[in-house]
Amino acid sequence: AQTVTQSQPEMSVQEAETVTLSCTYDTSESDYYLFWYKQPPSRQMILVIRQEAYKQQNATENRFSVNFQKAAKSFSLKISDSQLGDAAMYFCAYRSERGSQGNLIFGKGTKLSVKP
Amino acid sequence: EPEVTQTPSHQVTQMGQEVILRCVPISNHLYFYWYRQILGQKVEFLVSFYNNEISEKSEIFDDQFSVERPDGSNFTLKIRSTKLEDSAMYFCAAGGVVMGEQFFGPGTRLTVL
Repeated sequence: AQTVTQSQPEMSVQEAETVTLSCTYDTSESDYYLFWYKQPPSRQMILVIRQEAYKQQNATENRFSVNFQKAAKSFSLKISDSQLGDAAMYFCAYRSERGSQGNLIFGKGTKLSVKP
Repeated sequence: EPEVTQTPSHQVTQMGQEVILRCVPISNHLYFYWYRQILGQKVEFLVSFYNNEISEKSEIFDDQFSVERPDGSNFTLKIRSTKLEDSAMYFCAAGGVVMGEQFFGPGTRLTVL
């Protein structure tokens, strides 16, 4: 069974600086998707970024980028120029590539605080 | 931005009562999911639904739970006899248009007293 591990329960960053959130996963599959979701205090789950395992190029969405290391099964999220609104829980998630039906498997999350 | 809506936003019920949580997914999505998040814990998969039937379910999704899509738009999760440990945030998600992506609703906070 696949597992997702986020080893940092909490992280803190100064406004305008850069922070990296770690995620590792375990799978025997070769094709899959990886995601980062943001959960602010409202508890809404917001998709931040996604990565297809077959793509070597790291995904980027504005200030958010990932470092995807397939061999190491590592998928970290980098947030540049951190803003107060980035403060939230961040969940790493894995999804099998088998069709479109696979459910998401989440890590336990990292709580990010942004200091003004 | 695609949108999935859920009602109610907060439900309070007595232990042993039945509750129905409702979701209205984006109309062109094909796959629907329910997830649960107990306060302070990670999000856990409950069940996926495709073509009007369950395609996969987790160990959490026991006989107390059921899902249906009665009118082709609403997607419901029913808990027949709620227990204290059912208190959690329940998220509906929809996917199938863009490969891999699932879009979450705002969640229903269920409190069982």
